[in-house]
Amino acid sequence: AQTVTQSQPEMSVQEAETVTLSCTYDTSESDYYLFWYKQPPSRQMILVIRQEAYKQQNATENRFSVNFQKAAKSFSLKISDSQLGDAAMYFCALASGGSNYKLTFGKGTLLTVNP
Amino acid sequence: ETGVTQTPRHLVMGMTNKKSLKCEQHLGHNAMYWYKQSAKKPLELMFVYNFKEQTENNSVPSRFSPECPNSSHLFLHLHTLQPEDSALYLCASSQVLGGASGGQETQYFGPGTRLLVL
Repeated sequence: AQTVTQSQPEMSVQEAETVTLSCTYDTSESDYYLFWYKQPPSRQMILVIRQEAYKQQNATENRFSVNFQKAAKSFSLKISDSQLGDAAMYFCALASGGSNYKLTFGKGTLLTVNP
Repeated sequence: ETGVTQTPRHLVMGMTNKKSLKCEQHLGHNAMYWYKQSAKKPLELMFVYNFKEQTENNSVPSRFSPECPNSSHLFLHLHTLQPEDSALYLCASSQVLGGASGGQETQYFGPGTRLLVL
Protein backbone atom coordinates (compact mmCIF):
# COMPACT_ATOMS: atom_id res chain seq x y z
CA ALA A 1 0.00 0.00 0.00
CA GLN A 2 1.11 3.54 -0.63
CA THR A 3 0.48 6.51 1.61
CA VAL A 4 0.86 10.27 1.38
CA THR A 5 1.02 12.51 4.43
CA GLN A 6 0.66 16.26 4.51
CA SER A 7 1.29 17.34 8.09
CA GLN A 8 0.24 20.98 7.66
CA PRO A 9 -3.54 21.37 7.41
CA GLU A 10 -3.16 25.13 6.99
CA MET A 11 -0.38 27.54 6.11
CA SER A 12 -0.25 31.27 5.53
CA VAL A 13 2.24 33.49 3.76
CA GLN A 14 2.62 37.18 3.08
CA GLU A 15 2.36 38.31 -0.49
CA ALA A 16 5.79 38.26 -2.22
CA GLU A 17 7.24 35.97 0.44
CA THR A 18 8.25 32.33 0.11
CA VAL A 19 6.43 29.37 1.63
CA THR A 20 7.19 25.65 1.74
CA LEU A 21 4.53 22.97 1.94
CA SER A 22 5.54 19.56 3.30
CA CYS A 23 4.72 16.13 2.00
CA THR A 24 6.03 12.70 2.94
CA TYR A 25 5.10 9.48 1.26
CA ASP A 26 5.63 5.78 1.49
CA THR A 27 5.84 3.21 -1.25
CA SER A 28 7.73 -0.02 -1.75
CA GLU A 29 8.14 0.65 -5.45
CA SER A 30 11.27 2.04 -7.06
CA ASP A 31 9.40 3.51 -10.02
CA TYR A 32 6.91 6.17 -9.07
CA TYR A 33 5.74 9.69 -9.76
CA LEU A 34 4.96 12.56 -7.43
CA PHE A 35 2.65 15.47 -8.06
CA TRP A 36 1.48 18.68 -6.47
CA TYR A 37 -2.03 19.75 -7.40
CA LYS A 38 -3.72 23.03 -6.58
CA GLN A 39 -7.45 23.39 -5.97
CA PRO A 40 -8.61 27.02 -5.78
CA PRO A 41 -11.99 27.89 -4.28
CA SER A 42 -13.62 27.31 -7.70
CA ARG A 43 -12.66 23.63 -7.19
CA GLN A 44 -10.91 22.93 -10.51
CA MET A 45 -7.94 20.75 -9.64
CA ILE A 46 -4.85 21.97 -11.50
CA LEU A 47 -1.44 20.34 -11.79
CA VAL A 48 1.28 22.52 -10.32
CA ILE A 49 4.34 20.34 -10.76
CA ARG A 50 5.39 16.71 -11.18
CA GLN A 51 8.51 14.73 -10.41
CA GLU A 52 9.64 11.37 -11.74
CA ALA A 53 11.37 9.38 -9.02
CA TYR A 54 14.20 8.31 -11.32
CA LYS A 55 15.19 11.93 -11.90
CA GLN A 56 17.60 13.33 -9.35
CA GLN A 57 17.08 16.91 -10.44
CA ASN A 58 14.33 18.75 -8.62
CA ALA A 59 11.47 19.87 -10.85
CA THR A 60 10.76 23.58 -11.24
CA GLU A 61 7.91 25.47 -12.86
CA ASN A 62 8.38 29.22 -12.73
CA ARG A 63 7.81 30.24 -9.09
CA PHE A 64 7.15 26.66 -8.00
CA SER A 65 9.89 24.20 -7.18
CA VAL A 66 10.17 20.97 -5.25
CA ASN A 67 12.71 19.54 -2.86
CA PHE A 68 12.67 15.83 -3.63
CA GLN A 69 14.51 13.78 -1.02
CA LYS A 70 14.15 10.20 -2.22
CA ALA A 71 15.88 8.51 0.69
CA ALA A 72 13.79 10.43 3.18
CA LYS A 73 10.64 9.97 1.06
CA SER A 74 10.00 13.67 1.23
CA PHE A 75 8.55 15.89 -1.50
CA SER A 76 8.07 19.50 -0.42
CA LEU A 77 6.75 22.34 -2.56
CA LYS A 78 8.29 25.79 -2.44
CA ILE A 79 6.34 28.76 -3.71
CA SER A 80 8.46 31.86 -4.27
CA ASP A 81 7.17 35.40 -4.58
CA SER A 82 3.73 34.31 -3.40
CA GLN A 83 0.77 35.91 -5.11
CA LEU A 84 -2.85 36.31 -4.04
CA GLY A 85 -3.83 33.88 -6.76
CA ASP A 86 -1.75 31.17 -5.11
CA ALA A 87 -4.32 30.89 -2.32
CA ALA A 88 -5.80 27.41 -2.62
CA MET A 89 -5.82 23.91 -1.24
CA TYR A 90 -2.64 22.10 -2.25
CA PHE A 91 -2.57 18.34 -2.58
CA CYS A 92 0.45 16.10 -2.78
CA ALA A 93 -0.11 12.88 -4.76
CA LEU A 94 1.78 9.69 -5.52
CA ALA A 95 1.46 7.18 -8.32
CA SER A 96 3.46 3.99 -8.10
CA GLY A 97 3.47 0.30 -8.75
CA GLY A 98 2.44 -1.77 -11.71
CA SER A 99 -0.80 0.17 -11.95
CA ASN A 100 0.92 3.46 -11.46
CA TYR A 101 -1.85 5.48 -12.97
CA LYS A 102 -3.61 5.23 -9.61
CA LEU A 103 -3.08 8.39 -7.62
CA THR A 104 -2.98 8.43 -3.84
CA PHE A 105 -3.59 11.88 -2.41
CA GLY A 106 -2.69 13.52 0.86
CA LYS A 107 -5.34 15.36 2.87
CA GLY A 108 -4.20 18.72 1.56
CA THR A 109 -2.80 21.99 2.90
CA LEU A 110 -4.91 25.12 2.78
CA LEU A 111 -2.68 28.03 1.81
CA THR A 112 -3.74 31.57 2.62
CA VAL A 113 -1.89 34.50 1.06
CA ASN A 114 -2.08 37.72 3.02
CA PRO A 115 -1.81 41.07 1.20
CA GLU B 1 -15.05 22.75 -25.02
CA THR B 2 -11.57 22.05 -23.82
CA GLY B 3 -10.04 19.88 -21.13
CA VAL B 4 -12.36 17.84 -18.96
CA THR B 5 -15.98 18.89 -18.52
CA GLN B 6 -18.53 17.62 -16.04
CA THR B 7 -22.29 18.03 -15.85
CA PRO B 8 -24.19 18.90 -13.84
CA ARG B 9 -22.09 21.15 -11.64
CA HIS B 10 -24.55 20.86 -8.77
CA LEU B 11 -27.06 18.15 -7.97
CA VAL B 12 -29.55 17.69 -5.16
CA MET B 13 -31.31 14.35 -4.96
CA GLY B 14 -33.41 12.34 -2.60
CA MET B 15 -32.39 8.91 -1.43
CA THR B 16 -34.88 7.23 -3.76
CA ASN B 17 -33.89 9.15 -6.88
CA LYS B 18 -31.84 7.94 -9.80
CA LYS B 19 -29.47 10.37 -11.44
CA SER B 20 -26.35 10.30 -13.59
CA LEU B 21 -23.18 12.34 -13.63
CA LYS B 22 -21.49 12.92 -16.95
CA CYS B 23 -17.85 13.51 -17.75
CA GLU B 24 -16.31 14.26 -21.12
CA GLN B 25 -12.65 14.69 -21.94
CA HIS B 26 -11.44 16.56 -25.00
CA LEU B 27 -7.76 15.67 -24.59
CA GLY B 28 -7.53 12.43 -26.56
CA HIS B 29 -6.67 10.43 -23.44
CA ASN B 30 -7.17 6.70 -23.01
CA ALA B 31 -7.93 6.52 -19.30
CA MET B 32 -10.66 8.10 -17.19
CA TYR B 33 -11.27 8.17 -13.46
CA TRP B 34 -13.93 8.94 -10.87
CA TYR B 35 -12.88 10.37 -7.52
CA LYS B 36 -14.90 11.29 -4.44
CA GLN B 37 -13.84 14.33 -2.43
CA SER B 38 -15.36 14.67 1.03
CA ALA B 39 -14.61 17.33 3.58
CA LYS B 40 -11.57 16.63 5.75
CA LYS B 41 -10.68 13.47 3.80
CA PRO B 42 -8.21 12.78 1.01
CA LEU B 43 -9.53 12.29 -2.49
CA GLU B 44 -10.71 8.74 -2.88
CA LEU B 45 -10.28 6.92 -6.15
CA MET B 46 -13.53 5.16 -7.06
CA PHE B 47 -13.18 3.77 -10.56
CA VAL B 48 -10.59 3.61 -13.31
CA TYR B 49 -11.27 2.94 -16.96
CA ASN B 50 -8.32 2.16 -19.18
CA PHE B 51 -9.10 1.86 -22.89
CA LYS B 52 -12.81 1.69 -21.95
CA GLU B 53 -12.24 -1.31 -19.71
CA GLN B 54 -12.80 -0.98 -16.01
CA THR B 55 -9.51 -1.77 -14.36
CA GLU B 56 -10.26 -0.58 -10.86
CA ASN B 57 -13.25 -0.66 -8.57
CA ASN B 58 -12.04 0.59 -5.24
CA SER B 59 -14.60 -1.22 -3.09
CA VAL B 60 -17.29 1.21 -4.12
CA PRO B 61 -20.89 0.37 -3.08
CA SER B 62 -23.10 -0.92 -5.86
CA ARG B 63 -25.35 2.13 -5.60
CA PHE B 64 -22.64 3.77 -7.72
CA SER B 65 -22.51 2.33 -11.21
CA PRO B 66 -19.96 3.60 -13.75
CA GLU B 67 -20.29 3.44 -17.50
CA CYS B 68 -17.66 4.20 -20.12
CA PRO B 69 -19.16 3.95 -23.63
CA ASN B 70 -16.02 5.28 -25.30
CA SER B 71 -12.68 6.73 -24.36
CA SER B 72 -14.04 10.29 -24.26
CA HIS B 73 -17.11 9.81 -22.07
CA LEU B 74 -17.61 8.54 -18.56
CA PHE B 75 -20.81 8.34 -16.56
CA LEU B 76 -21.57 7.66 -12.93
CA HIS B 77 -25.08 6.37 -12.39
CA LEU B 78 -26.48 6.96 -8.93
CA HIS B 79 -29.38 5.21 -7.24
CA THR B 80 -30.66 4.90 -3.68
CA LEU B 81 -27.84 7.01 -2.32
CA GLN B 82 -27.29 7.81 1.33
CA PRO B 83 -26.70 11.23 2.91
CA GLU B 84 -23.07 10.27 3.55
CA ASP B 85 -22.61 10.08 -0.22
CA SER B 86 -22.88 13.86 -0.37
CA ALA B 87 -19.54 15.06 -1.70
CA LEU B 88 -17.75 16.58 -4.66
CA TYR B 89 -17.33 14.03 -7.43
CA LEU B 90 -14.36 14.64 -9.65
CA CYS B 91 -13.64 13.14 -13.01
CA ALA B 92 -10.13 12.99 -14.44
CA SER B 93 -8.41 11.70 -17.55
CA SER B 94 -4.87 10.83 -18.53
CA GLN B 95 -2.84 9.13 -21.19
CA VAL B 96 -1.58 5.82 -19.85
CA LEU B 97 1.58 4.79 -21.61
CA GLY B 98 2.40 1.24 -22.59
CA GLY B 99 5.33 -0.81 -21.44
CA ALA B 100 6.06 -2.88 -18.38
CA SER B 101 5.82 -0.01 -15.96
CA GLY B 102 2.88 1.73 -17.60
CA GLY B 103 4.28 5.22 -17.30
CA GLN B 104 2.13 7.78 -15.59
CA GLU B 105 1.13 10.81 -17.47
CA THR B 106 -0.53 13.67 -15.66
CA GLN B 107 -4.17 13.37 -14.72
CA TYR B 108 -6.33 16.31 -15.71
CA PHE B 109 -9.39 17.01 -13.63
CA GLY B 110 -12.83 18.37 -14.37
CA PRO B 111 -14.52 21.01 -12.20
CA GLY B 112 -16.55 18.42 -10.32
CA THR B 113 -20.18 17.84 -9.48
CA ARG B 114 -21.27 18.94 -6.02
CA LEU B 115 -23.77 16.32 -4.89
CA LEU B 116 -26.14 16.70 -1.98
CA VAL B 117 -28.23 13.73 -0.94
CA LEU B 118 -31.23 14.57 1.23
